[in-house]
Amino acid sequence: ETGVTQSPTHLIKTRGQQVTLRCSSQSGHNTVSWYQQALGQGPQFIFQYYREEENGRGNFPPRFSGLQFPNYSSELNVNALELDDSALYLCASSLGVVGGAETQYFGPGTRLLVL
Amino acid sequence: GENVEQHPSTLSVQEGDSAVIKCTYSDSASNYFPWYKQELGKRPQLIIDIRSNVGEKKDQRIAVTLNKTAKHFSLHITETQPEDSAVYFCVSGAGSYQLTFGKGTKLSVIP
Repeated sequence: ETGVTQSPTHLIKTRGQQVTLRCSSQSGHNTVSWYQQALGQGPQFIFQYYREEENGRGNFPPRFSGLQFPNYSSELNVNALELDDSALYLCASSLGVVGGAETQYFGPGTRLLVL
Repeated sequence: GENVEQHPSTLSVQEGDSAVIKCTYSDSASNYFPWYKQELGKRPQLIIDIRSNVGEKKDQRIAVTLNKTAKHFSLHITETQPEDSAVYFCVSGAGSYQLTFGKGTKLSVIP
């Protein structure tokens, strides 16, 4: 059984650019959630994908978008980067079931710095 | 939306003493309460969780309690060790997706 992986580990971008972050879910999991963790804060929910469909979204603007692929891996895209987007981006995978809250396992994160 | 308050923000204990972290939540629909430990520069790792039909759960030196009426839940670590030093997050989950994290408690265990 393989764990959750993310790429790249670190990234530096400038304001206005676009970025794509990637996540491979744990073997057997069909759900991926994305979180933003600013320095010294708890992770904040961005959105979740369940079987390739968006299954819920937190309080983030539309320039944050995502995809989930048939193998359940996922991408987070951020357009028009702002300085405040600098953070650790975490994905978490789980085995989604209807009506249940399932354990989420986190990847190591991608640290994004926007200059 | 859900709001999770966590106290204290920092906690220092002597090795061997107990540590207690307390949280409150606002959404009555919340039914899943995991706790994550995050060491510096590492991913959050689940250490224990509790669901709304259970009042208390224990795993070796770690125990969690849940008072659904008061919307309180807490983490107790006994016989603390230096390797328990980390940031601990209480989390509230409702339904099948969104987890709401507290702001974290930085625990320092002094040898």
